[in-house]
Amino acid sequence: QVQLVQSGAEVKKPGASVKVSCKVSGYSLTELSMHWVRQSPGKGLEWMGGFDPEDDETIYAQDFQGRVTMTEDTSTGTASMELSGLRSEDTAVYYCTVQRGFSYPFFAFWGQGTLVTVSS
Amino acid sequence: DIQMTQSPSSLSASVGDRITITCRASQSIRSFLNWYQQKPGKAPKVLIYGASSLQSGVPSRFSGSGSGTYFTLIVSSLQPEDFATYFCQQSYSSPWTFGQGTKVEIK
Repeated sequence: QVQLVQSGAEVKKPGASVKVSCKVSGYSLTELSMHWVRQSPGKGLEWMGGFDPEDDETIYAQDFQGRVTMTEDTSTGTASMELSGLRSEDTAVYYCTVQRGFSYPFFAFWGQGTLVTVSS
Repeated sequence: DIQMTQSPSSLSASVGDRITITCRASQSIRSFLNWYQQKPGKAPKVLIYGASSLQSGVPSRFSGSGSGTYFTLIVSSLQPEDFATYFCQQSYSSPWTFGQGTKVEIK
């Protein structure tokens, strides 16, 4: 069973960057396809990007291209998502989630979520 | 991007009721459709993947059907723990997109 534990809530000013981490246990990070999804009252659930096992690369949603970077530290089993140029609309709960079902992909395991608040 | 539209946005039902939630895609997504349940303050939990496959551990009162652009989630006999918000999500093409959610409340 995969368990994902995320870092704590953050408060950031507009224009700043935030980095959210996701510690994996139960599996090696190298065996997983990790994605990031955020949820806000205004836009609902939004897929931000993740690892595409077919092309063996990380892909980002166009809406976040240029502002988001997803990385993995296999030595510590920790995935991270950094979002730069924060604006008020980036206030949301951010989730790491693991893809399963490579014929019909779905998000099988989720972190507990990290609230990021962007406010001046 | 593929738009996912759920209906209704909310519904009130009683324990034991059968409920149906629909999800329409703006273009064909074949069977690349997943359903999630989310309770307040918690992460979503997958119920159905590939339009009709029940995720391990999910009660059999949940079922999914459809293909192409029209999909349904049925709960055959609503239980107290089923009052939650339900989302559909397509994994046919990037960016993967979600419906806006259907909140199921107690009547």
